[in-house]
Amino acid sequence: QSVLTQPPSVSAAPGQRVTISCSGSSSNIGNNNVSWYQQLPQTAPKLLVYDNNKRPSGIPDRFSGSKSGTSVTLGITGLQTGDEADYYCGTWDSSLSAFVFGTGTKITVL
Amino acid sequence: EVQLVESGGGLVQPGGSLRLSCAASGFTFSAYWMSWVRQAPGKGLEWVANIKPDGSAKYYVDSVKGRFTISRDNAKNSLYLQMNSLRAEDTALYYCVKRVGDNWGQGTLVTVSS
Repeated sequence: QSVLTQPPSVSAAPGQRVTISCSGSSSNIGNNNVSWYQQLPQTAPKLLVYDNNKRPSGIPDRFSGSKSGTSVTLGITGLQTGDEADYYCGTWDSSLSAFVFGTGTKITVL
Repeated sequence: EVQLVESGGGLVQPGGSLRLSCAASGFTFSAYWMSWVRQAPGKGLEWVANIKPDGSAKYYVDSVKGRFTISRDNAKNSLYLQMNSLRAEDTALYYCVKRVGDNWGQGTLVTVSS
């Protein structure tokens, strides 16, 4: 059972904005940087956001990350059909001495 | 271009062993933490283990402690995962990952079944 909680699914129409929440605790999100990953169907995950709100080169600014206390949020604007994927948050947990992933959220574009 | 190529997966009986390898290229391998992450069929991501650049520190998820060993050979730009006492619940696609997920390999499938 993951220590980081995400909603199982989110859906919206093309062009809309969606947000995905990831809730943790002071031993993980509260005191460590968080990354977000996108996993398209049948492919390896890809890094979308690191250090809470930074984007690797090549990731469009439609994707953004924010952090408040023990929760983080991934925002996607201008939703596209190509954004249909599973999204995971992840961070180090200082109490477990382990990296932990969120439960994952499937985005569906209506 | 960063490339991570895993190998060594396959079908193994419960209680058996496998050694996974990951060949890295396109970056200074010896400068980065490396990890193994797995994904059971139809399930989410699970971090398995990571290792410091010089190999002096290693961390594991509780479910594999005492059974799996992560190691690296910086001279060969290679990462390894020795898996012993394998269980059905270890069945998954195993990914080699640079740092906290900067880059991922395509994965190698491990199936534990009699």
